[in-house]
Amino acid sequence: EAQVTQNPRYLITVTGKKLTVTCSQNMNHEYMSWYRQDPGLGLRQIYYSMNVEVTDKGDVPEGYKVSRKEKRNFPLILESPSPNQTSLYFCASSLSVIPNQPQHFGDGTRLSIL
Amino acid sequence: AQTVTQSQPEMSVQEAETVTLSCTYDTSENNYYLFWYKQPPSRQMILVIRQEAYKQQNATENRFSVNFQKAAKSFSLKISDSQLGDTAMYFCAFMKLSTGANSKLTFGKGITLSVRP
Repeated sequence: EAQVTQNPRYLITVTGKKLTVTCSQNMNHEYMSWYRQDPGLGLRQIYYSMNVEVTDKGDVPEGYKVSRKEKRNFPLILESPSPNQTSLYFCASSLSVIPNQPQHFGDGTRLSIL
Repeated sequence: AQTVTQSQPEMSVQEAETVTLSCTYDTSENNYYLFWYKQPPSRQMILVIRQEAYKQQNATENRFSVNFQKAAKSFSLKISDSQLGDTAMYFCAFMKLSTGANSKLTFGKGITLSVRP
């Protein structure tokens, strides 16, 4: 089954404790990105990747890192999480950067930083 | 920069009736895509419908259709014969058409739709 898989689905942690949210897709997609969803703000892009070893900042990259060592994986790293990073996170992928390719979203990761 | 505005935070509709969700956007681009995504309580992001700005014909997908007014920068979603399963948050989103660049979706704040039995 074609899908984007995020782990974990839920995480409660404390300020400053490094964490990684994994994202994996099995569709051989070139383009992957991360969004965060906050009430009243919709979804905002954090980082994106157009292919292996090619990543760039989205609209709200502060406090996050990403890597794209393999085509299928695009982890989101919070080196020193803070409470303002408490949010719902989505990974998305598409076949290429051509806009007529639909974006597939993962099921979301709910992060709570205490 | 593009902006997407959904001014209604929530709406309610009776089952089997029709409801229209509003969306306006601002852009200086001429070529772009517009989308409506549905987010049910399960939190999944589900693509409902897509409209290419260069197409004059409004997109339709079964009970879902859009009213795309390019000059007015308006993109509303009409849901006909509303069903209980349509209860969800709906997001309007914009994507610039530029190959080889970031396929970023710019989202509105969302609207919560409740379908009453």
